[in-house]
Amino acid sequence: SAVISQKPSRDICQRGTSLTIQCQVDSQVTMMFWYRQQPGQSLTLIATANQGSEATYESGFVIDKFPISRPNLTFSTLTVSNMSPEDSSIYLCSLLAGGETQYFGPGTRLLVL
Amino acid sequence: QKEVEQNSGPLSVPEGAIASLNCTYSDRGSQSFFWYRQYSGKSPELIMFIYSNGDKEDGRFTAQLNKASQYVSLLIRDSQPSDSATYLCAVPGTAGGTSYGKLTFGQGTILTVHP
Repeated sequence: SAVISQKPSRDICQRGTSLTIQCQVDSQVTMMFWYRQQPGQSLTLIATANQGSEATYESGFVIDKFPISRPNLTFSTLTVSNMSPEDSSIYLCSLLAGGETQYFGPGTRLLVL
Repeated sequence: QKEVEQNSGPLSVPEGAIASLNCTYSDRGSQSFFWYRQYSGKSPELIMFIYSNGDKEDGRFTAQLNKASQYVSLLIRDSQPSDSATYLCAVPGTAGGTSYGKLTFGQGTILTVHP
């Protein structure tokens, strides 16, 4: 399976600032996804990021708050904008491989003070 | 809207026992089902997936599907303390539709295997 890396692995940020999370894959993939996992909760899909098209967002998530880039088939970024303590979560990128099988990156642990 | 439900537990079993984890799903048209294991502080790791055409066994893990009752089970035989983790059930969107590839997760079941 593909190797997925994320940067940063964790960060502590002040409210009102923005953080960009990078997701790098060691092979070309068409579909990438960004998920959020709030403390003690399960995973919730934020958006789908396909190369060459704009990201599609799930209900409750908007582009102004979570802008996503997908410049090529191996890389994507998620920005968490104008952060508040409620944005403290683990943010995970994932990729679709072999049909419906999905693999996750190691995650970015974000704490907003 | 697709829903996936799991008993959050915690489920505690003694070492060597069989751990049984269940997941119910709302979409009768769902064709595939995924089980992820998540250790504390780590990201989810795919351990098993099955399609609607039958059960699957992989080592100590068995995934079973009951389509009539719309639930899928994960059995872990000879449970080990290293199996202690949160187990997440996930159902993907329908192939060919706008939700293709998108996973809907249950809330996860915390499993503790005690020596």
